[in-house]
Amino acid sequence: QQQVKQSPQSLIVQKGGISIINCAYENTAFDYFPWYQQFPGKGPALLIAIRPDVSEKKEGRFTISFNKSAKQFSLHIMDSQPGDSATYFCAAKSDYKLSFGAGTTVTVRA
Amino acid sequence: DTGVSQDPRHKITKRGQNVTFRCDPISEHNRLYWYRQTLGQGPEFLTYFQNEAQLEKSRLLSNRFSAERPKGSFSTLEIQRTEQGDSAMYLCASSFGGFSYEQYFGPGTRLTVT
Repeated sequence: QQQVKQSPQSLIVQKGGISIINCAYENTAFDYFPWYQQFPGKGPALLIAIRPDVSEKKEGRFTISFNKSAKQFSLHIMDSQPGDSATYFCAAKSDYKLSFGAGTTVTVRA
Repeated sequence: DTGVSQDPRHKITKRGQNVTFRCDPISEHNRLYWYRQTLGQGPEFLTYFQNEAQLEKSRLLSNRFSAERPKGSFSTLEIQRTEQGDSAMYLCASSFGGFSYEQYFGPGTRLTVT
């Protein structure tokens, strides 16, 4: 059973718009929450990550918001660009292994 | 290129054959992970090494699967008597160790079992 639930499955955004992807978890043992970007035929690339004692982290156009009490976290992609078109995975770590969401395919229309 | 490398990138095999994949982690990373990714899904954890010790194996890793990391550097993943359900992308990742949690993935090996 999937330990991390991710939504939406796909989204389309106009160039310059904001993409928002949401994830939820139940396991309170998770202690690190990374986001990965994956292009077709490639391995996932680490994008940004957050620890549960922080409510928000921003790196360039990418921001993670984290709500520990609700056990939810989200990725915001600001000023979306066509090059951001990819599949995004949220993940959560307990012990040393990552549990991934099912992924969100983002399409940025020029 | 100092990233995680995997070989081969693609493998097509007939059902019942054995296959072996290799992963070379980022130099000085003492932790190495194997994941499997099927189409339209996120990666699923298979197994994890710290140096040469295999510390955890998922229930997904049937007895047809074996992984090694003989000298704490590269790792191999072998699948014996392949089945069509083994068709997937096999991903390797590595991390530095200590309190460094970032896992860096290789490009994967795409396995097709016919």
